[in-house]
Amino acid sequence: NAGVTQTPKFQVLKTGQSMTLQCAQDMNHEYMSWYRQDPGMGLRLIHYSVGAGITDQGEVPNGYNVSRSTTEDFPLRLLSAAPSQTSVYFCASSYSGSEYEQYFGPGTRLTVT
Amino acid sequence: GENVEQHPSTLSVQEGDSAVIKCTYSDSASNYFPWYKQELGKRPQLIIDIRSNVGEKKDQRIAVTLNKTAKHFSLHITETQPEDSAVYFCAASIPGGGNKLTFGTGTQLKVEL
Repeated sequence: NAGVTQTPKFQVLKTGQSMTLQCAQDMNHEYMSWYRQDPGMGLRLIHYSVGAGITDQGEVPNGYNVSRSTTEDFPLRLLSAAPSQTSVYFCASSYSGSEYEQYFGPGTRLTVT
Repeated sequence: GENVEQHPSTLSVQEGDSAVIKCTYSDSASNYFPWYKQELGKRPQLIIDIRSNVGEKKDQRIAVTLNKTAKHFSLHITETQPEDSAVYFCAASIPGGGNKLTFGTGTQLKVEL
């Protein structure tokens, strides 16, 4: 199993550009989430999904969209990139339920200039 | 929403000593408390977790304790080794569906020879 994979590993965008961060998992996990990690602030939840076709907002959803058309994939779209979105983005997945280990992807380091 | 505070932000110990990291949470409905270790440039990885119906859990040199009344939980690492040097994050489940977590701001642990 590849586990949770993310592409790209690094990305530089100009302010106003849009892009999609890809996330895929091959563990048949129902739950998937996106977090952003900023220095001194831990990880903060952006959006999450409890299954195909079902998504909801987390703590910091503004400026991001998600969709979940399949169990395996959970892309994160930046609609109009801003310097405040410079961060490391982690995708995570887990079995359904609130007490299961979340498996994290390797992360995408995004810089917006 | 759930708020998690973590202390200290940095911790330096001599090899062989013990290290303790403490977290408090705000929502009494939280029922799952994982601890993650993150090495520089890597993804967070689960090292131990505890559920609200358990007061203490141990795995070799690592232990976690939970005090539900006081709403705090702690990570204990004994006989520290240089490879324990990393950033450690505590987290608490967010009630209301989905495997959502609120993270603390992290503790940079340095184990000195």
